[in-house]
Amino acid sequence: NAGVTQTPKFQVLKTGQSMTLQCAQDMNHNSMYWYRQDPGMGLRLIYYSASEGTTDKGEVPNGYNVSRLNKREFSLRLESAAPSQTSVYFCASSELVTSGDTQYFGPGTRLTVL
Amino acid sequence: GQQLNQSPQSMFIQEGEDVSMNCTSSSIFNTWLWYKQDPGEGPVLLIALYKAGELTSNGRLTAQFGITRKDSFLNISASIPSDVGIYFCAGQLNSNYQLIWGAGTKLIIKP
Repeated sequence: NAGVTQTPKFQVLKTGQSMTLQCAQDMNHNSMYWYRQDPGMGLRLIYYSASEGTTDKGEVPNGYNVSRLNKREFSLRLESAAPSQTSVYFCASSELVTSGDTQYFGPGTRLTVL
Repeated sequence: GQQLNQSPQSMFIQEGEDVSMNCTSSSIFNTWLWYKQDPGEGPVLLIALYKAGELTSNGRLTAQFGITRKDSFLNISASIPSDVGIYFCAGQLNSNYQLIWGAGTKLIIKP
């Protein structure tokens, strides 16, 4: 089992460029999440998908879109990247979105927007 | 938005020392989680707490869910070099299922 995988691991973009971050899990989990992590701050939820076919906004959704392609895959798209989106992005998955369920994290994508 | 106050921000300790860190919030949580993040990796769950007053151990790690449901602490006994990393607390509200994260405690072991 690979768990949660993310691609790419590193990316540098210019302001205004677009890109999609890919995430896949092989644990047959129903729920998937996208977080960003900035220095000195905790993780902040961007979007989540409680189950296949549903997506919901988290704490910081502006500037992002997501697609739950199927049960395994959940992608995050930056349509017009801005320097404020320089961050480390983590994808996570869990069996259910309900209280207390363990979230398993991928290794992260380190994004720099110039 | 909701915030968790995690302290200390960083700790410099000698190998073998005990470590203590905590998180407080103005909100009541129904779940407290403690994660560890190694450099270049995603967070990994250490301990999950589901009831007020609950005390749970995982090897040398012990965590407690505060009676008021607004705080939690994590203790590490007899620290070893592989304990270095960033420790995060996270709380889950009853009203929705989103995790609210602390800013992390960076643990450094002095040579």
